[in-house]
Amino acid sequence: SQKIEQNSEALNIQEGKTATLTCNYTNYSPAYLQWYRQDPGRGPVFLLLIRENEKEKRKERLKVTFDTTLKQSLFHITASQPADSATYLCALHATPGRRALTFGSGTRLQVQP
Amino acid sequence: NAGVTQTPKFQVLKTGQSMTLQCAQDMNHEYMSWYRQDPGMGLRLIHYSVGAGITDQGEVPNGYNVSRSTTEDFPLRLLSAAPSQTSVYFCASSRINLYEQYFGPGTRLTVT
Repeated sequence: SQKIEQNSEALNIQEGKTATLTCNYTNYSPAYLQWYRQDPGRGPVFLLLIRENEKEKRKERLKVTFDTTLKQSLFHITASQPADSATYLCALHATPGRRALTFGSGTRLQVQP
Repeated sequence: NAGVTQTPKFQVLKTGQSMTLQCAQDMNHEYMSWYRQDPGMGLRLIHYSVGAGITDQGEVPNGYNVSRSTTEDFPLRLLSAAPSQTSVYFCASSRINLYEQYFGPGTRLTVT
């Protein structure tokens, strides 16, 4: 069956360290993978999109990698800050050519000051 | 721009009641969609639309209806509410040639 797996346990790190979140998928062949941030009581906010032919994408302190062989994406936040505390969702287009997104259940990141 | 707006923010229904969740966007986005979010299950697609007059089912469409008479509005109708429809509902929109989606603030629905 098709699955998108994100670590359901919260990730706790110290301010200034690099946070690394993992998204694994099975029985999908996505052309794109996206990462969103969600704060409590709010809707998700788009962060980054990476294409299957891109190994890495950066935006300010954020970096995403996409390994189609391992079927895995890693999401890094460098020099993390307490304001980065949120739940991070990965999402992919399960059906080629269709816009509908399939989401993982998210990983909660807590950055301690 | 207000972005994507949803009303109401909170709603309590009794089993069997019907209601409409409203969603509007002012970004002239062609694509709009409805998701529900339940603890530990992530966001699941209910229905989506690629333009006015065009709608299609997502992963969990049963018990919900949609219509798209204008580009701006995409209401979600619950025909006969059930406790299993207790959830947080999000509306999202995007340009047809871009993939990132813009989400509304959500509607928290409780069915008793």
